[in-house]
Amino acid sequence: QKEVEQNSGPLSVPEGAIASLNCTYSDRGSQSFFWYRQYSGKSPELIMSIYSNGDKEDGRFTAQLNKASQYVSLLIRDSQPSDSATYLCAARYTGTASKLTFGTGTRLQVTL
Amino acid sequence: NAGVTQTPKFQVLKTGQSMTLQCAQDMNHNSMYWYRQDPGMGLRLIYYSASEGTTDKGEVPNGYNVSRLNKREFSLRLESAAPSQTSVYFCASSDRLIGPNQPQHFGDGTRLSIL
Repeated sequence: QKEVEQNSGPLSVPEGAIASLNCTYSDRGSQSFFWYRQYSGKSPELIMSIYSNGDKEDGRFTAQLNKASQYVSLLIRDSQPSDSATYLCAARYTGTASKLTFGTGTRLQVTL
Repeated sequence: NAGVTQTPKFQVLKTGQSMTLQCAQDMNHNSMYWYRQDPGMGLRLIYYSASEGTTDKGEVPNGYNVSRLNKREFSLRLESAAPSQTSVYFCASSDRLIGPNQPQHFGDGTRLSIL
């Protein structure tokens, strides 16, 4: 069974610090990875996507992918209280008709 | 700029009642998905439709049926609701024909309680 694993947290970081969120996946036959942010009571919102090994930066967010080690991470620089949310990692596996497998999410708390 | 629209937003049912959750997208996407989200369980795929005219089971299809009415609309039906189906239901869509790496876009969800 294809799985995506995340630490449920909460991960607590002070305002202005770097938050590091990690995700591992079980199947090497994966094509692409997505990070979604979900505020309490709201729907998932796409933050970043990454398909190739290495880093991908978008503003304060950096996604990192290491296919050999089967992990994906999301770094949030200069964390703000508004970043407090649950972050969902998702993987798309080859031949799955664009289906995504989601992790259970990591809850991030940015403290003042 | 509607994106993915789900109705209703909230619903309370009694055990054994039936209902249909509606989902429509205006992004001309080919693929649509239904998920449920329970505390500590993450998003679990119920059914999906890779393209108009096709539907397939996901991870947790028991107790549900779906209809891909046309390219825009994908409905989820509970024939005989059970308390275990109390959850938040999300519909999503993606345009996989552009390429395999297209993300899924989510609706606002339907909060369903079954007494």
